Amino acid sequence: DAGVTQSPTHLIKTRGQQVTLRCSPISGHKSVSWYQQVLGQGPQFIFQYYEKEERGRGNFPDRFSARQFPNYSSELNVNALLLGDSALYLCASRHRGRPEQYFGPGTRLTVT
Amino acid sequence: AQTVTQSQPEMSVQEAETVTLSCTYDTSENNYYLFWYKQPPSRQMILVIRQEAYKQQNATENRFSVNFQKAAKSFSLKISDSQLGDTAMYFCAFALDSNYQLIWGAGTKLIIKP
Repeated sequence: DAGVTQSPTHLIKTRGQQVTLRCSPISGHKSVSWYQQVLGQGPQFIFQYYEKEERGRGNFPDRFSARQFPNYSSELNVNALLLGDSALYLCASRHRGRPEQYFGPGTRLTVT
Repeated sequence: AQTVTQSQPEMSVQEAETVTLSCTYDTSENNYYLFWYKQPPSRQMILVIRQEAYKQQNATENRFSVNFQKAAKSFSLKISDSQLGDTAMYFCAFALDSNYQLIWGAGTKLIIKP
């Protein structure tokens, strides 16, 4: 089976712009989570979705939003980009009832 | 609130040696999971091993094993017969069984020297 996929791989945006990142979970996984990893740090939890409903939100401003589609894929949107939003954005999927999360390769966002 | 601390920013060992990475955590909850993830230079986050808090037996996956001390809130990772491919950042992570949201340590950079 294919693993978690994310697109695009790399992205360069200008301050103030908006960006959409995409994630497809492992087949059969209905839970998707998003994490932000700033260079040199551990990831920080942003959102968790299960069965198309938001199940958790980390300490991120309202400029960050997400959604999950009927096929369980997910999008992360960030508005009014700031230089500090430059990071690796990781998507992870999880099978219902199991705690382990499996990660995609990430999207590297650079804001200039 | 839960926190995870990794006090070793970087470690270096010779190939074939055994190395232990440290992790401590803080929580007032009783039901949770602990994980070690590996992040090589490609930055793909890879699950290494998982431990359920209710299990006293330490988890083992081939050359990787943990020493889980619940009372001390300690969760160390031992890598036996280390290989060049083990070179990576290693992250300790915690999740409550009520929400599965991962809380991460700052990571330990492990370098395996030939």
